[in-house]
Amino acid sequence: SQTIHQWPATLVQPVGSPLSLECTVEGTSNPNLYWYRQAAGRGLQLLFYSVGIGQISSEVPQNLSASRPQDRQFILSSKKLLLSDSGFYLCAWRAGTDLYGYTFGSGTRLTVV
Amino acid sequence: QQPVQSPQAVILREGEDAVINCSSSKALYSVHWYRQKHGEAPVFLMILLKGGEQKGHDKISASFNEKKQQSSLYLTASQLSYSGTYFCGTDKTGANNLFFGTGTRLTVIP
Repeated sequence: SQTIHQWPATLVQPVGSPLSLECTVEGTSNPNLYWYRQAAGRGLQLLFYSVGIGQISSEVPQNLSASRPQDRQFILSSKKLLLSDSGFYLCAWRAGTDLYGYTFGSGTRLTVV
Repeated sequence: QQPVQSPQAVILREGEDAVINCSSSKALYSVHWYRQKHGEAPVFLMILLKGGEQKGHDKISASFNEKKQQSSLYLTASQLSYSGTYFCGTDKTGANNLFFGTGTRLTVIP
């Protein structure tokens, strides 16, 4: 069966520090991968998506970046965090067909102080 | 690109019914529905692809209108476990990128 792992679960970082969040998927190949951010009490904002290794598309211009070094690995990074980067970051995967929904990881709660 | 969801919040007593709506200004390729419990990740409920389609399992069902611009989620005979925030996610192009509505917070009380 397919599983998605996301870590860390919580993170407190000072303004200006770097960020690296990792997401891996097991039990499937060539998944579509996504990074979403959810501000407190708000909806889900699509940040990046990837349909293959090295293929990254960005939906929102910001100081975040994403990379997909391996088929089932998706990394969200920042060189310098801002206060506004605080939120709940969710990684998700989907099989490349229309029949299935997204499966989300357990999320990383990031607080920038 | 974000769909419009309504209502923003609803409180139900156990056994009551609710409808949550999701609208787009343009025709959609598909609509997804998810439920998120507090502090947890969203969980997939169902996907609708065809205009006029209706789907459901247990007492939660959804419809996608003929013009594919609106979807509704129906919760009947609500249970305490139905509490959470419901999101619709819409895909306009079939590119597999979902844009989510702002959510509907559903609270079921005894």
